[in-house]
Amino acid sequence: EIVLTQSPDFQSVTPKEKVTITCRASQSIGTHLHWYQQKPNQSPELLIKYASESMSGVPSRFSGSGSGTDFTLTINSLEAEDAAAYYCHQSSSFPFTFGQGTRLEIK
Amino acid sequence: QQQLQESGSGLVRPSQTLSLTCTVSGGPLSSGDYAWSWLRQPPGKALEWIGYIYLSGSYYKNPSLESRVTISIDRSKNEFSLSLTSVTAADTAVYFCARAPSGSVYYDTWGQGALVTVSS
Repeated sequence: EIVLTQSPDFQSVTPKEKVTITCRASQSIGTHLHWYQQKPNQSPELLIKYASESMSGVPSRFSGSGSGTDFTLTINSLEAEDAAAYYCHQSSSFPFTFGQGTRLEIK
Repeated sequence: QQQLQESGSGLVRPSQTLSLTCTVSGGPLSSGDYAWSWLRQPPGKALEWIGYIYLSGSYYKNPSLESRVTISIDRSKNEFSLSLTSVTAADTAVYFCARAPSGSVYYDTWGQGALVTVSS
């Protein structure tokens, strides 16, 4: 099973700050890595597919990069509405797995 | 645009069977080639992939749950279902149904989630 490790687990940030969340895979997964945002008491929403492809309707301040084992989700100029948990997810091999999540708090 | 909605028992006794159904609206299950999926999230924890099924009936399940999980699909009712046997408190979670484009398996459409509590 591929283990995805995110860092940090938690971050308290101010609006307009730039945020970087990393996801490291226990083995190479190419670009089969996707990012989701989950606000409290809501279902996850797909932000980025295949490491760097932004989904339609997602604000341009969200971007993804990486391949192999190391991936990054970047949020430029954070807004208050970005307070949420963020999860990475690999679909390279069974069983599909998720990172433990990164919770962003807006100061 | 398709929408998904989970329904089923919210409280299940230990050792009993958890049963959930995901009803798809806004278009037939056959409108595209998708992997119709189940995932879960224990309170305050991360997401866990349970498995998925195609319209053909072929399916894939998480080995950690495989012996207890059944996933089925009913084209006539436009729904798919999850059954999890011999539940324990560790199975308490919000259960989500979701849709993934076949061959891609990223989840672009989710249900709102259904909390299932295992307790006597």
